[in-house]
Amino acid sequence: KAGVTQTPRYLIKTRGQQVTLSCSPISGHRSVSWYQQTPGQGLQFLFEYFSETQRNKGNFPGRFSGRQFSNSRSEMNVSTLELGDSALYLCASSLRGRADTQYFGPGTRLTVL
Amino acid sequence: DAKTTQPPSMDCAEGRAANLPCNHSTISGNEYVYWYRQIHSQGPQYIIHGLKNNETNEMASLIITEDRKSSTLILPHATLRDTAVYYCIVSNEGGKLIFGQGTELSVKP
Repeated sequence: KAGVTQTPRYLIKTRGQQVTLSCSPISGHRSVSWYQQTPGQGLQFLFEYFSETQRNKGNFPGRFSGRQFSNSRSEMNVSTLELGDSALYLCASSLRGRADTQYFGPGTRLTVL
Repeated sequence: DAKTTQPPSMDCAEGRAANLPCNHSTISGNEYVYWYRQIHSQGPQYIIHGLKNNETNEMASLIITEDRKSSTLILPHATLRDTAVYYCIVSNEGGKLIFGQGTELSVKP
């Protein structure tokens, strides 16, 4: 069974631009969660989608948004990029959204210049 | 905020048991203890979880104290490939994982 895939793997943007990251979950998984990882703040929860609905949300500004499609694939969007948005963005999929069955993808490394 | 406290780093000799402690003194009755690890440049990997009983699987054992205020993850025979950051997380089984700073385990030959 294929694992969680994230595209692109690396991305360079400039301040003020917007970016869209994509996550394809494991086949059959209905929950997709997004996390941001930075050296200073560690791994932080962004949001979780289950069956196309946002079910949980972390403490991030409204510039960070996401959505989930009917095939469970998910995208997250960051608008008006800031230097501090440079991070590794990780996506995790789960059959039902349980914490013990989250499978993480390799991440998208975003650099904001 | 993370509800757990872990030592920032630990060393372990290859082939020996690695015992990673975690304090979670404010854990509530319906919250589980989860352990994940992250090997450099990879996404985190689920290891084990438990509510109040000790648990064992093919990767590790989890010992939870009777008052549930602390736990220990045990890797019985650590190898160099177990070098990673280990995260102890308290959660009520939902899809939201709150990671702390974790323990950086270095397994040395």
